[in-house]
Amino acid sequence: DVKVTQSSRYLVKRTGEKVFLECVQDMDHENMFWYRQDPGLGLRLIYFSYDVKMKEKGDIPEGYSVSREKKERFSLILESASTNQTSMYLCASSQVITEAFFGQGTRLTVV
Amino acid sequence: GEDVEQSLFLSVREGDSSVINCTYTDSSSTYLYWYKQEPGAGLQLLTYIFSNMDMKQDQRLTVLLNKKDKHLSLRIADTQTGDSAIYFCAETPGNTGKLIFGQGTTLQVKP
Repeated sequence: DVKVTQSSRYLVKRTGEKVFLECVQDMDHENMFWYRQDPGLGLRLIYFSYDVKMKEKGDIPEGYSVSREKKERFSLILESASTNQTSMYLCASSQVITEAFFGQGTRLTVV
Repeated sequence: GEDVEQSLFLSVREGDSSVINCTYTDSSSTYLYWYKQEPGAGLQLLTYIFSNMDMKQDQRLTVLLNKKDKHLSLRIADTQTGDSAIYFCAETPGNTGKLIFGQGTTLQVKP
């Protein structure tokens, strides 16, 4: 059974904190993605990685960075969390242009 | 640019057909996708269509693609209450593996 695992389902962080969201996949996929999901806005791509140590900005990278040191792990970093980063964060992985598999999501609240 | 647009809400009665529409701007995607998100869950691939096809049928699901108008639709026949979910269309512009989603259409099925 294929799996994308996000480290937390729910997180509450304070404004200004550095936040790490972790995602691990067990399918040996090249591509990994971080999206945020907000009502009425759908899924917006934050960052995309197509190989180890490779990354590409998505539509809304400001305030975020990513790390992919190993193929199976893709981390999203909020350098200094702000209240407008309160959202649902979804990680996904895929082979080149086939089906993407999603994690369950992390609901982050910044207070 | 890359843009995928959907209407936000659709309400139907159980047993009726549902049609969810999507428009996209990038014509280079080899595949176009429909994903389903049930409450509290990540997204799952529902179906997809190869860009050189006009139609694909899979049990109660029919996907129609009009490449000239860059319009994609998903028809669900005999809609059931279990079909209530958010439906996202998606494309991979330039076939880079980068996956871009629409805003999502919330389907409400009334008994």
